[in-house]
This record gives sequence, C-alpha cells and structure tokens, in this order.
Amino acid sequence: AQTVTQSQPEMSVQEAETVTLSCTYDTSENNYYLFWYKQPPSRQMILVIRQEAYKQQNATENRFSVNFQKAAKSFSLKISDSQLGDTAMYFCAFMIYNNDMRFGAGTRLTVKP
Amino acid sequence: GAVVSQHPSWVICKSGTSVKIECRSLDFQATTMFWYRQFPKQSLMLMATSNEGSKATYEQGVEKDKFLINHASLTLSTLTVTSAHPEDSSFYICSALSTRMNTEAFFGQGTRLTVV
Repeated sequence: AQTVTQSQPEMSVQEAETVTLSCTYDTSENNYYLFWYKQPPSRQMILVIRQEAYKQQNATENRFSVNFQKAAKSFSLKISDSQLGDTAMYFCAFMIYNNDMRFGAGTRLTVKP
Repeated sequence: GAVVSQHPSWVICKSGTSVKIECRSLDFQATTMFWYRQFPKQSLMLMATSNEGSKATYEQGVEKDKFLINHASLTLSTLTVTSAHPEDSSFYICSALSTRMNTEAFFGQGTRLTVV
C-alpha cells in the first residue's frame, strides 16, 4: 500500500520570503506520479504542480518548484516570493497510473504580511 | 478544459432521509471517478472508486449499503447517502480520471453535507 507523509501540520512564512513544505512517501512501484494541491478556504482542490517519477528533472511552475528525490522517496515543495494568496492547506498526493490518488495529512501554510 | 462539476455545493437534510450528490465531467469522458470524504482540518480520505458500467470498489470501513455509488455513464457518477445521520455530516469531494489522460485526477468543487 502507498502512504504519503507530511510531517509539518502548520507552517508560516513572511510575505516575499521562501518556504519549503516536506513530503515523503512509501511505495514499491517504480512508475508513479506525485502532486501538490492547494486547498484554499473555498475547499476547491487546485493543482499546484505535478511530477512524473520517470523524469529526473524537477518540475517548476512559476514560483513553485519541487525537489524530487526518488531514492529517498521525498517530494518537497518550494514556494518562492510567497504571496498572501498562497495562504491555504497544501496536500501532497501520490498516484499510480490509472489508479486512485492518495493524500498526505496536509500542511496549513500562512503567509504573513 | 478538464472541468468537473459537483452538485449540490451544499445541502442540509433531516436525519433518516437520503441525499444524492452528482459528479459530472463536463468536457471529457471519465471511466473512473473517485469519491472522497474530508472532515474539518483533515485530509481527503478515499471512500470508493467508481468505474463506468460496473460496481464501485469501496475502501475498508466504508459501508457500501449506506454510500451508494452509481456510474451510469462516462460523464456522471452519483453518491447517495442513505438514511443519513448527523455523523455523516462532512465535505464530500469527487474526482475524475480522463480516458485520454489518466495520469491526473480533476476535482469537483465539493459538497458540504449537514444532517440535522
């Protein structure tokens, strides 16, 4: 069974600073997909970034980037130049091709002005 | 593209009644849809996997007779909470896998169910 662990229940960062959210996972699969989702107070799940396990290059999306360490089964999210709108719950998720998505417990991020 | 519409966005019902929640993929076909439950300040917990034209697969501990799932077409899955009780009050979210690109799930906006 696949498990996803987010060890930081809450994080805070000053506006314009950089913050890193941690995520580890456990799987015996070799091909899979990793995601970071943002859930604002509206509770709509918003995809932040995704990473295919077969790709060595770390994914980036504007201010968001990941540090994917396959051997260590680690998938951290770095948010640069934090903005007030980044305040939300962040969930790390794992998916095997054509299968369900499993989520970590989440990290509540607060960006302070 | 890849829009999933979930309806209703919120519902209040009396104990003992049944409530149906719809999950529609608006611009793609989805052979597989997932239903999650989320309690306040907690993560999304998978309840069941819904496959078009076949019976849903339920996660351990989820009562299939209480949470009826129907996936009658490639664009619609429904979750019916039968004989609802206050402890069923929660936030329910669906997601769908595209038949063309089943390496990413697209989420509905969720349904807040309150049973009084």
